[in-house]
Amino acid sequence: QLQLQESGPGLVRPSETLSLTCSVSGGSISSTSDYWGWIRQPPGKGLEWIGSVYFAGNTYYNPSLKGRLTISVDTSKNQFSLKLSSVTAADMAVYYCARRRDIAVADPWGQGTLVTVSS
Amino acid sequence: QSALTQPPSASGSPGQSVTISCTGTSSDVGYYDHVSWYQQHPGKAPKVMIYEVSKRPSGVPDRFSGSKSGNTASLTVSGLQAEDEADYYCSSYAGSNNLVFGGGTKLTVL
Repeated sequence: QLQLQESGPGLVRPSETLSLTCSVSGGSISSTSDYWGWIRQPPGKGLEWIGSVYFAGNTYYNPSLKGRLTISVDTSKNQFSLKLSSVTAADMAVYYCARRRDIAVADPWGQGTLVTVSS
Repeated sequence: QSALTQPPSASGSPGQSVTISCTGTSSDVGYYDHVSWYQQHPGKAPKVMIYEVSKRPSGVPDRFSGSKSGNTASLTVSGLQAEDEADYYCSSYAGSNNLVFGGGTKLTVL
């Protein structure tokens, strides 16, 4: 059964870089039919698609975050990562990783990790 | 890409049916048959309930159904049960390997 788990610092200072890793178990991140994505949810608000990566390294970013965002994949560790630079309070959210299958289905999701932006 | 539009709330009594709408544009919902619906209980990760407009993943009760007309997709929950009380989000493929989500609808079972 495919499972995903986010990890990384829960507190990031304003203007610094948020870094998270998603570990995939129960399946291979090198699957040719899947993409791997990040979604975030500010406290009490809705979901926002951040972007995704393919095992070969192709990346696809939400235009609103492009310029600050880097998503990468490490097939040797079965992991993919998110880096978001120059964070502000608006970037405080629960960050989820998920497999993107069948073009546009996020399934399954990790449990999510809360990232607080504060000095 | 702008967020899809959902009503902030919906409600129904046990056993009744409720329908939640999701309005996009001719560049996302209206163009692609890749609309999904997610259920999120408090403090939990979202779970896909419907994908490709009307397909149900294995394990999702057939009380959940989806449809689309033009730029608007809909999720119908029939025979409402207490455990259906949750937030529901729609999403659509928006081209260029990007997705867009709706703002979410809080479903209350009265």
